[in-house]
Amino acid sequence: QVQLQESGPGLVKASETLSLTCTVSSGSMKTYFWSWIRQPPGKGLEWIAYVFYTGSSNYNPSLGSRVTISVDPSRNQFSLKVRSVTAADTAVYYCARGFRSYEGRPNGYFDLWGPGKLVTVSS
Amino acid sequence: SFDLTQPPSVSVSPGQTARITCSGDALPQQFAYWYQQKPGQAPVLLIYKDSERPSGIPERFSGSSSGTTVTLTISGVQAEDEADYYCQSQDVGGTHVFGSGTTVTVL
Repeated sequence: QVQLQESGPGLVKASETLSLTCTVSSGSMKTYFWSWIRQPPGKGLEWIAYVFYTGSSNYNPSLGSRVTISVDPSRNQFSLKVRSVTAADTAVYYCARGFRSYEGRPNGYFDLWGPGKLVTVSS
Repeated sequence: SFDLTQPPSVSVSPGQTARITCSGDALPQQFAYWYQQKPGQAPVLLIYKDSERPSGIPERFSGSSSGTTVTLTISGVQAEDEADYYCQSQDVGGTHVFGSGTTVTVL
């Protein structure tokens, strides 16, 4: 059974860079896309970005150029960097596996999630 | 980008039927998906492609679509169904959006 696990610092200072890594326990990264999703305390889910094993990626326009997602298929890992963080970036960050196809309409959803990593931005 | 609108809360008695709606102008052109999230846990996929149910998801969860609204129906609600529920969709450019979430309370 494939599992995802987030890792990285749980505390980041304001104006610095948040860095997280997701490790995929087994299997190939080729069939799916790989995504980061976050959830501020007491709030809803926000999609951040996704990446394919080729390195092709896409980002939530609302986060602008502060975010970079990358993949290392040789290590079964993908990573997230968020630059110039503020208190608004405090959230539980989830990594997730996505399935994508086109069946008359775009089809893309998240079928496997990591347990989540709480990242707090301190002043 | 596009928006998905959900009611903040739905209350239902055990054994009754709960219906959670998700509305968005883009939904006729895009599939919708549903996730269940219990406190302190990661979301779990309940419904994909509007009405398909992944293996392991109980049959009491079903999805439907009509125009700009998709609906998650929980038939015969159980106490364990008390959770937050989110709809999600993806546009042709690959942008993913979640609805604001609906808290289901079992009375």
